[in-house]
Amino acid sequence: ILNVEQSPQSLHVQEGDSTNFTCSFPSSNFYALHWYRWETAKSPEALFVMTLNGDEKKKGRISATLNTKEGYSYLYIKGSQPEDSATYLCAFRGGSNYKLTFGKGTLLTVNP
Amino acid sequence: DAGITQSPRHKVTETGTPVTLRCHQTENHRYMYWYRQDPGHGLRLIHYSYGVKDTDKGEVSDGYSVSRSKTEDFLLTLESATSSQTSVYFCAISESVRVEAFFGQGTRLTVV
Repeated sequence: ILNVEQSPQSLHVQEGDSTNFTCSFPSSNFYALHWYRWETAKSPEALFVMTLNGDEKKKGRISATLNTKEGYSYLYIKGSQPEDSATYLCAFRGGSNYKLTFGKGTLLTVNP
Repeated sequence: DAGITQSPRHKVTETGTPVTLRCHQTENHRYMYWYRQDPGHGLRLIHYSYGVKDTDKGEVSDGYSVSRSKTEDFLLTLESATSSQTSVYFCAISESVRVEAFFGQGTRLTVV
């Protein structure tokens, strides 16, 4: 079983705070690392897919970085807003098969 | 929105009965996945498919089987439902291993 770990499990921040989460994954046989945003009662929606060591992606106030050599990715949210409240999932895809393995997620709550 | 439909959306069934969940896509994507969502476990992969009649097990495949006889449909069968299979089931599709997955709306299954 692949180990995809996310930390912290949950996070409460105030509106306007910047925050970040971590996803760690196997550093061998890497193929791609995904980030998803999952709001309550909805389906997960993709934020980023990163495939190269050193990749940095940005979408509005959300950005992500990737280090495949050490097996981690960071997701950053700048100036958090209440509508950013959601569970953020990362998912690892290794090169030896077609599985997409998810971490347990980080639950972000942004208080107004 | 990606054309992906899960049916039924809700089902209550009795222990010991077989149950089939359907995932239907109109995107012609090669890869299809079944996950289950449980509190504290995030999304766990049950089975996945990488082409017609090509399927493989995920991390929690015991008690489940799948079939993919055509590109657009991926069926998940609980051979003899148990209460431990009460969960929300998500189907996901992906065009290639380098891009994001799109999720269906989920099926809430209750085994009584």
